Amino acid sequence: KAGVTQTPRYLIKTRGQQVTLSCSPISGHRSVSWYQQTPGQGLQFLFEYFSETQRNKGNFPGRFSGRQFSNSRSEMNVSTLELGDSALYLCASSFVTGQRAYGYTFGSGTRLTVV
Amino acid sequence: AQSVTQPDIHITVSEGASLELRCNYSYGATPYLFWYVQSPGQGLQLLLKYFSGDTLVQGIKGFEAEFKRSQSSFNLRKPSVHWSDAAEYFCAVRSADGLTFGKGTHLIIQP
Repeated sequence: KAGVTQTPRYLIKTRGQQVTLSCSPISGHRSVSWYQQTPGQGLQFLFEYFSETQRNKGNFPGRFSGRQFSNSRSEMNVSTLELGDSALYLCASSFVTGQRAYGYTFGSGTRLTVV
Repeated sequence: AQSVTQPDIHITVSEGASLELRCNYSYGATPYLFWYVQSPGQGLQLLLKYFSGDTLVQGIKGFEAEFKRSQSSFNLRKPSVHWSDAAEYFCAVRSADGLTFGKGTHLIIQP
């Protein structure tokens, strides 16, 4: 079956702009979580969505937001971009059993560069 | 709060030699542990995971890991490495806040 699809793969934006990244999970997976990867901070949890509801949120400013649609596809948005937002953004798709997520299959990521 | 420590930032191994990557975790409940591998510019590929049952877990590409609760460790092993194993390796624990990752170990393979 198809894996996790993230679009676009690469993005260059200017400071102050906003950006929207997309993630399509594995068919049947209803949980999507997002992670930011930078050389300095490593991999950090952004947020997790399940059945169109945000279940958890990491320690990121309110400029980072997301949503999940009824088909489980998810988008994350970053407003008022800063140079420090340059990172690889990874999406993970999971199946849920008993309210807990399992699996965590990652997409190839979106490389965001802010100039 | 949960945390994952990978003590070795870089490890260099000769091709054909055995490999062990260390991972220690801190988590209050029964841990759900993962090892992922990442090639440059790519996403994370799951090597193996542990949730319960047999403490020796087999994964893809010939990797295995052993969960030791008494040592809070989940070390990754491979009996004979190949040049294609050169990559970044991440250990992670699932918590209420998604996955918490270690800082990673960069594996270099010498010919």
